[in-house]
Amino acid sequence: DGGITQSPKYLFRKEGQNVTLSCEQNLNHDAMYWYRQDPGQGLRLIYYSQIVNDFQKGDIAEGYSVSREKKESFPLTVTSAQKNPTAFYLCASSPPVAGSGQETQYFGPGTRLLVL
Amino acid sequence: AQSVTQLGSHVSVSEGALVLLRCNYSSSVPPYLFWYVQYPNQGLQLLLKYTSAATLVKGINGFEAEFKKSETSFHLTKPSAHMSDAAEYFCAVSSNTGKLIFGQGTTLQVKP
Repeated sequence: DGGITQSPKYLFRKEGQNVTLSCEQNLNHDAMYWYRQDPGQGLRLIYYSQIVNDFQKGDIAEGYSVSREKKESFPLTVTSAQKNPTAFYLCASSPPVAGSGQETQYFGPGTRLLVL
Repeated sequence: AQSVTQLGSHVSVSEGALVLLRCNYSSSVPPYLFWYVQYPNQGLQLLLKYTSAATLVKGINGFEAEFKKSETSFHLTKPSAHMSDAAEYFCAVSSNTGKLIFGQGTTLQVKP
């Protein structure tokens, strides 16, 4: 079965701690995305990557970091610099229809991050 | 710059009634538009998308949306609501780099 997996489903962060959210896809998609979802605010783009070993900041990148060493994996680290990390984090990927804007993004099930 | 506005953060309908969720967009280039549905504590699932092939787009679960350039709208409709349609719905517009800009979402409540 092809799809996007995110782990863990729930994650707890202590003060001053960095935590990493996993996102894996076996759809052979080139592009991957991380979004943050807060109640009443829709989804906001954190980082995105259109190709391995390359990524760009989205609208709210401060306090987050990513890597894209493999096509199928795009982990997100929430650093201690992110002062309000409690949110639902969604990973997505899209197939290579480069530059057209018609690509459908496919979403994982999400990770809920809570602060202890 | 592109943006999306969803009118009404909460919509409530009776089972069997018409569902109408409103979406207006702003775009300096011909837009690609999407509707996604999200059930509680889950990811987003594509309902339908507009890519300029036809102005009336049919999607899954009986939903459809009509692109109206003159009104800059892409409203989502379903003739008869089911209890299983209760969820949050997001409208999104795509840039030519593939980035999606989402509206704030509309929660649909279906009353028995």
